[in-house]
This record gives sequence, C-alpha cells and structure tokens, in this order.
Amino acid sequence: GAVVSQHPSRVICKSGTSVKIECRSLDFQATTMFWYRQFPKKSLMLMATSNEGSKATYEQGVEKDKFLINHASLTLSTLTVTSAHPEDSSFYICSALRAGSTDTQYFGPGTRLTVL
Amino acid sequence: SQQGEEDPQALSIQEGENATMNCSYKTSINNLQWYRQNSGRGLVHLILIRSNEREKHSGRLRVTLDTSKKSSSLLITASRAADTASYFCATDEAGGFKTIFGAGTRLFVKA
Repeated sequence: GAVVSQHPSRVICKSGTSVKIECRSLDFQATTMFWYRQFPKKSLMLMATSNEGSKATYEQGVEKDKFLINHASLTLSTLTVTSAHPEDSSFYICSALRAGSTDTQYFGPGTRLTVL
Repeated sequence: SQQGEEDPQALSIQEGENATMNCSYKTSINNLQWYRQNSGRGLVHLILIRSNEREKHSGRLRVTLDTSKKSSSLLITASRAADTASYFCATDEAGGFKTIFGAGTRLFVKA
C-alpha cells in the first residue's frame, strides 16, 4: 500500500518559536495533500488543502499566516506553525491523495506538538 | 465543518461480541469511508463504500450505506481485544474531494 511519513513524530518547543512539520508520500506522487488537527479524544479537523505548485486552501477559521503550508514537490508538503503558543499544542496529521485518484487518502502517522 | 456524526460516542463490549457503530451525515456524498485510530497514532483505512453501493464486507467488517437516510453503519463481528480503538467515518462531498470526519466512536473490547 501507499506510505505517507511525517517528521518529526513528536516535537516540544518553547512559546514563540516556529515549528516545521514535513509530510512525504514515499512511494507515490501526491498532487494534493491535506493537513488535519486533532485535539485529545476528538475527531480530525481539516485545516487546509495543499496542492502542488499552488497556494493552499484554508478552512474557515484557520489562520493562513499562523499555519504556513508549502507543497513544493509531488511528494512533500510542509506545515509550519509560526510563533507557536500553548494553544497550538495538538496532534497534526497529514494525508495524501495519489495523483489521478479522487477517493482514498493515505494518512501519515501524525506529529504530536507540545508548546511550552 | 464536521458533517459526520457518530453514535455511540463510546462503546464497551466483551471479546467475541459484535460491535455496531453508526454514522450520519448531512450533504450528498461521493463515498464514505471508515477509519480506525489507535490512541495517539495515525489513521488506518478500513473500508470505502461508494454512494451507489449499499453494503460492503471486508473480513470481520461489514459496512452499510443508506443514502436516503444519509447514514452508514460499521459492524465488527467476533470482536477482539485488539479491536480496541477509535473508529471514524469520513465523507467526501459530492463534487469535491475534501474529506470530512465524524466525531468518532471509541470502542473498548474487554478480554
């Protein structure tokens, strides 16, 4: 099956710093990737849709200047949490749509962000 | 916005029993998918059912879809302690490819 990796799997940072999370499709090309946020014992909330070579589409209520998304290649999307605050602490999960596919998304293992 | 609502929110059963989880949604869909998530881990895709399908099986899993009622169910037969996890339904809106997740059902299977 298709594999999606995320790096880092866990990060702890100080308030005010920026953190970059990478999402890679390892064995397929992904023209579209999605970024989700999940609070403890809650469901996944879609933050943004990332399309290769174009600007990301953010969901309502998600600050684009706070959560910078870059999808520079067909196998890599990055999410940068800028000037992180404790309320940004969460589990961030990415998923990737195989190029040419419109249904099954392949999910990364997630990144646990803790902002002190 | 979340469009899938699941019930129950939590379910505790004995090993060997069947577990049924339900999901309702609000808009027309292309397909509906069920995912499993172990605590603090990523999602595992279980099964996809398309809007023109009514039932689908995969091993011990049985999924039904009723588009007239905008609902789906996931049945896990002969449950095992290893099935303990959170289960989410997710829908792809008709005309788009954004996936919206339901609130999830936390299943606990006691050995």
